Amino acid sequence: KNQVEQSPQSLIILEGKNCTLQCNYTVSPFSNLRWYKQDTGRGPVSLTIMTFSENTKSNGRYTATLDADTKQSSLHITASQLSDSASYICVVIGSMDSNYQLIWGAGTKLIIKP
Amino acid sequence: DAEITQSPRHKITETGRQVTLACHQTWNHNNMFWYRQDLGHGLRLIHYSYGVQDTNKGEVSDGYSVSRSNTEDLPLTLESAASSQTSVYFCASSGDAYEQFFGPGTRLTVL
Repeated sequence: KNQVEQSPQSLIILEGKNCTLQCNYTVSPFSNLRWYKQDTGRGPVSLTIMTFSENTKSNGRYTATLDADTKQSSLHITASQLSDSASYICVVIGSMDSNYQLIWGAGTKLIIKP
Repeated sequence: DAEITQSPRHKITETGRQVTLACHQTWNHNNMFWYRQDLGHGLRLIHYSYGVQDTNKGEVSDGYSVSRSNTEDLPLTLESAASSQTSVYFCASSGDAYEQFFGPGTRLTVL
């Protein structure tokens, strides 16, 4: 069964600290993986996309990694800011022929404390 | 600027009533989606459409219906609202298979 699991469920860190969020998946065949940020009371917004051939991609203080062999991805946030408080959702896109399917993780709720 | 809007933002209704949630996008995207989001669950797909007159069932479609009469709109109808349908509903659109643009959500409470 295609699944995406994220850990931890929630995380509290102090402003200025770094953190890493994990995403493990069993989706096959794999097409690509995307991380979304969802602020409280708003819809998710895309942070970055990882294709099969990419190992690392950065977007400002956010760095995503992908290990397609172990089917794991991580999102590293450097020098956290209060505005980073949000839920971070991993979604894996599986595709076969012309069809594709998005498998969404349950998200990690990140709280940044001053 | 292109955007995707949802209305109403909040809705309280009673069990058994028919409810319609509106979704309107100005991206001119062919693909539109409806999700529900509940605590402890990832986004779950209710219905989706790849173009005008095209609609498809997602993983949690029971009790919901959609229709696509133009590119911009995909209204979601709850035929007979149930308490289990209390949730936050998100509409999204995409121009390709990968990036979806989400609306602000509708919080629905069924009493």
